[in-house]
Amino acid sequence: GENVEQHPSTLSVQEGDSAVIKCTYSDSASNYFPWYKQELGKGPQLIIDIRSNVGEKKDQRIAVTLNKTAKHFSLHITETQPEDSAVYFCAASSLSGGYNKLIFGAGTRLAVHP
Amino acid sequence: DAGITQSPRHKVTETGTPVTLRCHQTENHRYMYWYRQDPGHGLRLIHYSYGVKDTDKGEVSDGYSVSRSKTEDFLLTLESATSSQTSVYFCAISTGTANTGELFFGEGSRLTVL
Repeated sequence: GENVEQHPSTLSVQEGDSAVIKCTYSDSASNYFPWYKQELGKGPQLIIDIRSNVGEKKDQRIAVTLNKTAKHFSLHITETQPEDSAVYFCAASSLSGGYNKLIFGAGTRLAVHP
Repeated sequence: DAGITQSPRHKVTETGTPVTLRCHQTENHRYMYWYRQDPGHGLRLIHYSYGVKDTDKGEVSDGYSVSRSKTEDFLLTLESATSSQTSVYFCAISTGTANTGELFFGEGSRLTVL
């Protein structure tokens, strides 16, 4: 089945710097790659996603890139702000038994220091 | 707000006792999911449902059962709780087809098994 590895597990940056989180996946058939942000005490929330027919997608300060050949995708946050501090999860969809199932990475705890 | 309510939000129980967690949605979405979240493992799918009385297993289904007798309710049952089932449990719904669209998560249910 699908396996998703996420790095780093923790990331500390100064306000205004950029942050990059990387994920690799194992199933070449995976075709949907979302990123979720989880704030303390809350459920994860989708912040951006990309499908396999697109190499890059941007939404204001957040961008995601996908390299299908290498089977990795990355989240880029520019001009980080303290409110970006949270745990971020990548995921990849895996077709199993006729249904797509999302497999999540282990998460990255991002701390943005003022 | 996707109209997802989880109950109870916190529960402490003893090994060997049965536990049922409830997920209630107000928007009649077809797909519902139960995930568990543990440090170092991200979110792992326990079971999911694609309609009333239609359920299937996820990655970590051993020791768990589910039921969906109404569109709006998805129940997760631990028949005989063990300490390894201490975790935070998240219910989610998807608005698209199975796992190719955005997942909306509830606030989570923290279960401690002593």
